[in-house]
Amino acid sequence: GIQVEQSPPDLILQEGANSTLRCNFSDSVNNLQWFHQNPWGQLINLFYIPSGTKQNGRLSATTVATERYSLLYISSSQTTDSGVYFCAVPYNNNDMRFGAGTRLTVKP
Amino acid sequence: DAGITQSPRHKVTETGTPVTLRCHQTENHRYMYWYRQDPGHGLRLIHYSYGVKDTDKGEVSDGYSVSRSKTEDFLLTLESATSSQTSVYFCAISGRNSYNEQFFGPGTRLTVL
Repeated sequence: GIQVEQSPPDLILQEGANSTLRCNFSDSVNNLQWFHQNPWGQLINLFYIPSGTKQNGRLSATTVATERYSLLYISSSQTTDSGVYFCAVPYNNNDMRFGAGTRLTVKP
Repeated sequence: DAGITQSPRHKVTETGTPVTLRCHQTENHRYMYWYRQDPGHGLRLIHYSYGVKDTDKGEVSDGYSVSRSKTEDFLLTLESATSSQTSVYFCAISGRNSYNEQFFGPGTRLTVL
């Protein structure tokens, strides 16, 4: 089955810093999602991004489907950005395969 | 935000007892999913439904059954709970853009003693 790898597994930042999270996948996909799981466990949709670049405030994402990776950029990080970031890709039409996540800690 | 609720939100039960978790949506979406989340594994699909009475297995379906008698409700049943089923369970529904964009409910934390 498709493999999804995220890096780095852990990231500690000072408030105001920028960061880049990476998601590699082993097979061709026709879409990709980024999620943020906050410290209370809630999963929040960030981006649905099959290809190209999207921006939402301080966050942006780029997917290069032909090279099988996606990047999530967080600029001017805030403590509320802390949590775990997951990418997920479809598998067998109705399954979604998740990466193991990047745990982000933003310190004040 | 997608209208998805899960009940109960927390449950502690004993090994061997049956447990049913409920997912309710107000979005009238066709697709619904049950995932479990465990440390080091991210989220893994248990079962999904593509319509009333239409369900299929996911990656980790052993020990679980599901039912969907109405569009808005998707039930996950552990017939005889085991300690390995201690986990956080998330329900998801398909999104508005395509059936593959998923939105998640708040989760149910289940502990099997």
